[in-house]
Amino acid sequence: GAGVSQTPSNKVTEKGKYVELRCDPISGHTALYWYRQSLGQGPEFLIYFQGTGAADDSGLPNDRFFAVRPEGSVSTLKIQRTERGDSAVYLCASRKEMNTEAFFGQGTRLTVV
Amino acid sequence: GEDVEQSLFLSVREGDSSVINCTYTDSSSTYLYWYKQEPGAGLQLLTYIFSNMDMKQDQRLTVLLNKKDKHLSLRIADTQTGDSAIYFCAESRGLSDKLIFGTGTRLQVFP
Repeated sequence: GAGVSQTPSNKVTEKGKYVELRCDPISGHTALYWYRQSLGQGPEFLIYFQGTGAADDSGLPNDRFFAVRPEGSVSTLKIQRTERGDSAVYLCASRKEMNTEAFFGQGTRLTVV
Repeated sequence: GEDVEQSLFLSVREGDSSVINCTYTDSSSTYLYWYKQEPGAGLQLLTYIFSNMDMKQDQRLTVLLNKKDKHLSLRIADTQTGDSAIYFCAESRGLSDKLIFGTGTRLQVFP
């Protein structure tokens, strides 16, 4: 596609459930980032992939959060045992290489009730 | 500290200039960025500046960088109602080149 695609655009889940959020980066972009944006805040870094490997996962808040990128393109962010505090917009960004523009998707709005 | 700081709100009259300020923390950041976020929309890169530059101009946008004070500003000339949005400054940090964002400045333009 022309841009970074994220699905679903909205997700409502019950506390304690498991969710998966998907990111389709721009074709050919080797670098992929996940960010989380809580209401009234700027995006916060979660994890960075270079190719298939998670090169920097220092932003993941705890072990309930995990992300994969098995073939170096699509990435899935997985959240176990969701909590109400996980409610936020989860943003994905990709870039062709370092020091080039990062393109952001529209985000997935996750609401945990 | 770790935070990138911005003032929360700015209100300007249409046609006036807007200046949005930001202080950042990492003196080794290679690039500094300004992003725009409109309601329900994704983040749009407006402009960026390389850390060895003091100023960059791009049409109505002027970015000023004071590296000594770690201060970044975005000036929007002839502000229009369509400029109403939240503006985020961001610094690149670390080997992963991750972006560290400020809390955002909500710009409101009134006629």
